[in-house]
Order: sequence, then structure tokens, then C-alpha cells
Amino acid sequence: AQKITQTQPGMFVQEKEAVTLDCTYDTSDPSYGLFWYKQPSSGEMIFLIYQGSYDQQNATEGRYSLNFQKARKSANLVISASQLGDSAMYFCAMREGGYNTDKLIFGTGTRLQVFP
Amino acid sequence: GAGVSQTPSNKVTEKGKYVELRCDPISGHTALYWYRQSLGQGPEFLIYFQGTGAADDSGLPNDRFFAVRPEGSVSTLKIQRTERGDSAVYLCASSLAERGETQYFGPGTRLLVL
Repeated sequence: AQKITQTQPGMFVQEKEAVTLDCTYDTSDPSYGLFWYKQPSSGEMIFLIYQGSYDQQNATEGRYSLNFQKARKSANLVISASQLGDSAMYFCAMREGGYNTDKLIFGTGTRLQVFP
Repeated sequence: GAGVSQTPSNKVTEKGKYVELRCDPISGHTALYWYRQSLGQGPEFLIYFQGTGAADDSGLPNDRFFAVRPEGSVSTLKIQRTERGDSAVYLCASSLAERGETQYFGPGTRLLVL
């Protein structure tokens, strides 16, 4: 079963508008972490934001915020005031608990295109 | 400070050949990870080092793949008898000592097996 699901292969947004990228996850572990990464065409994965499963408040980092709905197992990324430079692939990832591992499980990504 | 670096940035090889991919983690990061990203997919976990030892190698696809980190810093991913299906971008990441810390990625090595 897919552990991380990103149902939007592609999204378009106009510059200066906000956009939400969806992510749902599946785990039975009470301790987990959720990450969003940006991958521009250059290929490097850039860390954007992190949410821990026990965090009471939604994470925010500048123009990025994470809409964490634990009961629904969703962790959507909200980008406010989109910029042309935000055009890239965006990946949601989960780290599960477990003493001997620290691996990330990634979704298939969403390609965001920002137009003027 | 310097980020994670990977060499070479691109590698073209022939089926059946041996290749080595190198990763230099961020200074002070004791955890190191290798992932593989095929076209149109998210990265897939290969192996995780904590210090010199492989704490989790459950993602290595078969025994043609092997990774080392002899001094707890630089790591080398080794692929023997390469196959066309090994063509992908190989990403390395590192993080601070504690589990759950954010993983910071390098630019990747694009491997093409002809």
C-alpha cells in the first residue's frame, strides 16, 4: 500500500496567488514526521518544512505552511504569494518511528508551475 | 557552510561495468543516506549509515549494490555488473546525529547504463 500519496501530478498557479499541494499518508506508528521538499530542474532536493506527529501547531516557514490534519492523515503544503521561482517538483515524505532506521518514504511528487 | 557534495555529477557506463559514486556529507553530520530516484518518481531509500556502520540497508535492491563509509564521513556507493535498469539519479543526504533530524540532500549523480 502507498504510504505517501500525492494525487496531483501537476498544478498551475498565478504569481502572487496561494496554492495548496495535497499529501496523504498511511501509518500505524504513533511517532512519525512529515517533510516537504522542493526539487527544481537542477535536481537538488531542497528541504522546505517539517511537521512532527506530536506537534500541536501547524508548522510554518516563511511563505510555506503545513496544513496538518492528523485524523485525516493529511499534510498539505500551502505556498502563499507564489513566485515564478517556486516552479518545481514538490515531494511529500514521511519518516516513521522505529529504532534502527531513519529512512524517508517519498510520494510521487507534484509539478507546480507558476505563471505571470 | 558547504552542503552535501556528490561526484561525479554524471556517469555514463556500459552494461556489466563496475561504478563507484561518492558522497561528501555536511561537516559534523554523522548520519548519511543514499536514495535512488528513477524518472518521474520520488526518491527511494537504499541505505542509512550512522557513523561508520550501516544501520539500515533494507533498500539495497540486490547484492550488486554495496556502500561503505569507512571513516564515518565520505561514503561510496558501489554497483557491480551494472544493468540498464540501474540508470537513475543517485541522491545522497546527511543529517545531524539525532534520529529524525532533517535530511539535507546533495545534487545527485546521474547514472546512465548503456
